[in-house]
Amino acid sequence: DGGITQSPKYLFRKEGQNVTLSCEQNLNHDAMYWYRQDPGQGLRLIYYSQIVNDFQKGDIAEGYSVSREKKESFPLTVTSAQKNPTAFYLCASSKAGIGSNEQFFGPGTRLTVL
Amino acid sequence: QKEVEQNSGPLSVPEGAIASLNCTYSDRGSQSFFWYRQYSGKSPELIMFIYSNGDKEDGRFTAQLNKASQYVSLLIRDSQPSDSATYLCAVMEAGGTSYGKLTFGQGTILTVHP
Repeated sequence: DGGITQSPKYLFRKEGQNVTLSCEQNLNHDAMYWYRQDPGQGLRLIYYSQIVNDFQKGDIAEGYSVSREKKESFPLTVTSAQKNPTAFYLCASSKAGIGSNEQFFGPGTRLTVL
Repeated sequence: QKEVEQNSGPLSVPEGAIASLNCTYSDRGSQSFFWYRQYSGKSPELIMFIYSNGDKEDGRFTAQLNKASQYVSLLIRDSQPSDSATYLCAVMEAGGTSYGKLTFGQGTILTVHP
């Protein structure tokens, strides 16, 4: 059954801690994306990757880091430098290149800073 | 900064009516346009995408695109209470390393009342 999985579903972080959010896809998509959603807001792009071992900053990359060592996996680390990390984090994937279109989303991780 | 604007609503319509959701975008070079539906606490799911000027119909949903006016809309005919959700408009940038990158509007909350 193809799709995108994210874990954990809920995550609690103490101030000053780094945490890593997992995103895995078995859709054989080249491109993967991380978004942040705050209450009543749309999605804002954090980082994206169109190929293994390469990624680009999105609109709000400060305080976040990513890696893309495998096609299937695109983990996001929320560092202690991110001053307001409480949000709903969404991972997505899509085909890359000309003709690529829709992004498919995972179920999300809700991060709360205690 | 490329912008996508939606009326945040809430938009309230009676069951069986037509719901009209609107979206404007700032990047005249944008090529692809997407409508996602997001239920509370869930991840977005794609409803429709449109590339060409004019109308595209899929069941009860019709997407309308006017590139000259930089305007895209979504019509939902015979609205049902199950259509109650937040509708996100997303615009894909064209060309270069940004290909595949989506910019989202803030979303319109739709409520369909019996």
